[in-house]
Amino acid sequence: SAVISQKPSRDICQRGTSLTIQCQVDSQVTMMFWYRQQPGQSLTLIATANQGSEATYESGFVIDKFPISRPNLTFSTLTVSNMSPEDSSIYLCSVRTGGPETQYFGPGTRLLVL
Amino acid sequence: QKEVEQNSGPLSVPEGAIASLNCTYSDRGSQSFFWYRQYSGKSPELIMSIYSNGDKEDGRFTAQLNKASQYVSLLIRDSQPSDSATYLCAVNSPDYKLSFGAGTTVTVRA
Repeated sequence: SAVISQKPSRDICQRGTSLTIQCQVDSQVTMMFWYRQQPGQSLTLIATANQGSEATYESGFVIDKFPISRPNLTFSTLTVSNMSPEDSSIYLCSVRTGGPETQYFGPGTRLLVL
Repeated sequence: QKEVEQNSGPLSVPEGAIASLNCTYSDRGSQSFFWYRQYSGKSPELIMSIYSNGDKEDGRFTAQLNKASQYVSLLIRDSQPSDSATYLCAVNSPDYKLSFGAGTTVTVRA
């Protein structure tokens, strides 16, 4: 499995501001994803980060709110824009390696919006 | 994303017992199935994957898949306190997107 790191690990932000979360993988991966886990809930897929092209967003998530970049095969960022308290969640990146159809998760970014 | 349902918890079992977790999914075309373990405050950790009907064993864990019934389960034998966690069932779609169940919280009583 790949080694995945995320920065920051946690943050407390003010309403109306934006936060960019970074995801770094120690090897090239075919696919990268961003998930959200709201308090006490399961994981919900936000988008698939595509290398060299625009991310593919799931229903209920839009690029203006969650812009995503993926400049290469080892790195991606997710920005949470114009934050509100409802954005308080854990944000997780995951990667699919070229082998079995499995996804591995990064350690997550715990975001609290006041 | 497709619907994935897990048996409601929490599930409390005594140490040494078998914990049985169940999951059903709605997309008959799903081909890959996973169980993740998530400790409180941590990210999900992949513990089992299964792709074919039948049983797959890995240590104290056994995953069972029945595609006709659209059912996947996880058995934890000889449960230990360290198995206390939330277990997430996940189903892969052909475009590799994972759909997760709500999770079942397991507590192993010493």
